[in-house]
Amino acid sequence: GESVGLHLPTLSVQEGDNSIINCAYSNSASDYFIWYKQESGKGPQFIIDIRSNMDKRQGQRVTVLLNKTVKHLSLQIAATQPGDSAVYFCAENSGGSNYKLTFGKGTLLTVNP
Amino acid sequence: GAGVSQSPSNKVTEKGKDVELRCDPISGHTALYWYRQSLGQGLEFLIYFQGNSAPDKSGLPSDRFSAERTGGSVSTLTIQRTQQEDSAVYLCASSDRQGGTDTQYFGPGTRLTVL
Repeated sequence: GESVGLHLPTLSVQEGDNSIINCAYSNSASDYFIWYKQESGKGPQFIIDIRSNMDKRQGQRVTVLLNKTVKHLSLQIAATQPGDSAVYFCAENSGGSNYKLTFGKGTLLTVNP
Repeated sequence: GAGVSQSPSNKVTEKGKDVELRCDPISGHTALYWYRQSLGQGLEFLIYFQGNSAPDKSGLPSDRFSAERTGGSVSTLTIQRTQQEDSAVYLCASSDRQGGTDTQYFGPGTRLTVL
């Protein structure tokens, strides 16, 4: 779900479980989506992207699913590891803009050993 | 290769002072972006540079904020007469705008604290 004020949505999982992080994007004209991972004290790190002509894309241990009908994006992390603990942001290219990204407020993933 | 670098990593200043934040993009990247991230929030777009084109300044929150990019590489974000609400992490990103994608690579950010 979406965050309110300073309270980030949180997801806590056990090491080895699969994680699913959800994001609702805002602009139906957006055609490029990215997931970023941000560890404490660091800048966002690119994880995976997807264009609107696809509904699924897989990377190493990560899968992004796109449902344009309901404007929903999800990130699946397989066999979650403690190093996956971070805040995860989805971003959309602001209604088809060539460069301007609009970021969600993020989800805090905590992996328990 | 080297990623995006930013300096300083931390800056503490007094209200009313001017500050300059620096960004060195990835070599060869033609596009450069500045974002602001307040505590527990997502990233807020500030400004975008692409080659020799006029920058998109539409995200700058007030006329106290300005940025320049010299020689198509290094960029400086300047905040004049800083206010406490300017306290945030300022992030720079660059991209190469190749192949129709625009993956932005971020630096570590500058944490600005205005007392």
